[in-house]
Amino acid sequence: QSALTQPRSVSGSPGQSVTFSCIGTTSDVGYVSWYQQHPGKAPKLMIYDVDQRPSGVPDRFSASKSGSTASLTISGLQADDEADYYCCSRSYAGTWMFGGGTKLTVL
Amino acid sequence: QLQLQESGPGLVKASETLSLTCTVSGGSISSYIYYWSWIRQAPGGGLEWIATKYYGGNTYFHPSLKSRVTISLDTSKNQFSLRLTSVTAADTAVYYCAGPFGDSSARGAYFDYWGQGALVTVSS
Repeated sequence: QSALTQPRSVSGSPGQSVTFSCIGTTSDVGYVSWYQQHPGKAPKLMIYDVDQRPSGVPDRFSASKSGSTASLTISGLQADDEADYYCCSRSYAGTWMFGGGTKLTVL
Repeated sequence: QLQLQESGPGLVKASETLSLTCTVSGGSISSYIYYWSWIRQAPGGGLEWIATKYYGGNTYFHPSLKSRVTISLDTSKNQFSLRLTSVTAADTAVYYCAGPFGDSSARGAYFDYWGQGALVTVSS
């Protein structure tokens, strides 16, 4: 099972946009999802099916995929966006895999 | 709205078996479209998917944990469980149970409902 690679950290100022990358093999980056996790809390599903937002997730959160790289963008950064963000993909074998996570710091 | 709650021992001795139960409320685990999962997070670490079981039967395991993991459903109690054998210090983690994403239009399967997490420490 190959890895999904995420940068360890990303930072941005309030109001700015930040983008997270998630790099994996073509066979792994299929049905991509993104999870937000605040310290001490359970993760929250933010994106599913590569670029779809569940009900209740602000449209400041958007995502896409190109080749073997998935991306999550947060626009209009807010203090409460400071959290860890994990990409997740399901392989054609049916197993799931999380990226290592990216810590977002809002300056 | 599903609610999930993990329960089980917080301390397990090395080489023994870790057992956790997830109690589901607000809905039944007995649906062929539903799938139930365990995910863990080592202290200071990232998320690691462990296993997922569909009520309809298919079960998937993390390749490196497959030989040690059992996931089972108890429909009479609306619970599902995790057993992890021969634990070592590397299995020390917060263990989350997770429930399915209920949007039938979704093409994939995702973890939408989460328990609060249960810290399990493996002692020597």
